[in-house]
Order: sequence, then C-alpha cells, then structure tokens
Amino acid sequence: QITLKESGPTLVKPTQTLTLTCTFSGFSLSTSDVGVGWIRQSPGKALEWLALIHWDDEKRYSPSLKSRLTITKDTSKNQVVLTMTNMDPVDTATYYCAHRAYGPGAHYFDYWGQGTLVTVSS
Amino acid sequence: DIVLTQSPDSLAVSLGERATINCKSSQSVLYSSNNKNYLAWYQHKPGQPPKLLIYWASIRESGVPDRFSGSGSGTDFALTISSLQAEDVAVYYCQQYYNTPYTFGQGTKLEIK
Repeated sequence: QITLKESGPTLVKPTQTLTLTCTFSGFSLSTSDVGVGWIRQSPGKALEWLALIHWDDEKRYSPSLKSRLTITKDTSKNQVVLTMTNMDPVDTATYYCAHRAYGPGAHYFDYWGQGTLVTVSS
Repeated sequence: DIVLTQSPDSLAVSLGERATINCKSSQSVLYSSNNKNYLAWYQHKPGQPPKLLIYWASIRESGVPDRFSGSGSGTDFALTISSLQAEDVAVYYCQQYYNTPYTFGQGTKLEIK
C-alpha cells in the first residue's frame, strides 16, 4: 500500500526558505520508473505542479518557479525534500506530495499525501 | 506552457442525472508515436487530497465507479458522470502530462441541483 505524508512548518515569514519533507512507504525511489512530485493549491485557486524527481535523480521543475525550487531525495529514509527560497505571501498554499504513476510517460499522480498548509506571513 | 480551460466553471445537476465537464487544451496532448492522449482527471473534495479518476484520457483508475468516464482526443476532452450521486460533489480538474510544466485546468465545481 502506497502512502505519502508531508511535513514542515505551518508558518514562514516572507523572504524565508521553506523546507518540506515527503515521507513515503509502499515503494522505493531506488526502483526504476518511480517518481515523486510536489503540487500546491493556493486558497481558492487551481492545482499547480511544482517539481518532480525520479528514481535516477532526474529532476523537473516548473519554469516559473525553477529559480526558487530544489527537490532532492533520500532513498535510505524514503523521503523527498522540497525547498523553496524567498517565500512570499502569495506562496501561501496547501502543499501536496504525490506518487507518479508507473509506466513510460505516465506523469500523472495516482497517490497523494493529505497535504500541509503553509502560511506565509510576518 | 499548455493551458487547459475547463467548462463550465460550475455545474449543478440533479441526482441521477448526467454531468459533463469539458477540458480544452491550447495544444494537442496526443502523442502520435503511441496514439495516447496525455491527459488525466482528478476529483477534489474539501479537506482531502485530489483523487485520480481517469488517465490516458479514458482509462478509469482502479476502484473508480464505472459511472465516471473520460473521452476525447487531441485538444478536446470530457469527463462524464452518467448518474450523479451525492458523493460526487467536488471540484474536478484535468491535468496534462504531455510536457512540462505539467498543468491543470482551473477546476469545475460540481454541485447537486
């Protein structure tokens, strides 16, 4: 059974760096064709894809946020970490990590964490 | 970026009736080499994470009731709920995974009339 859970601060100040951790079970990021992504949803807005990391350490980022994002994995801990620099109130959102489906080109998300609400405020 | 535009923004349907949500892509998400449409549909209820319903435009995810179906190709897609149930009240999103950045539609809020 695949599960994912996000953890991190619920409140960050403007200009600070956000670090979110996704801890997962039921799969391994050392296995071929596995990927974990991050998606967020600002209040009242649509879903927004942020980043994706694959088993072979291939990384993909949203171009609009690429300069601020870093995604890494710790295979031994079954964790994926997303850092976002220079946080702004517009980055207030629920942040989700999600398992990328298996299969060539299958870059949709079949399992999601419950999400963590991050508020950016001074 | 590929822009996905859903219509309508909100929809009210009577229980047992059909609901159809449309998703139009700014460019084709059909990959000619494998004839697959790189489009998925999700259901999102308040306080819950999004739930995958449909992938490759028309393949129902395991465990999803068969009243949900996906159709379309190229740039025009639809999610149909054949007989609306109370538990289907949610916001529905389409997502393209043809190329990065992976993008979502703006969402369609489905309510009971």
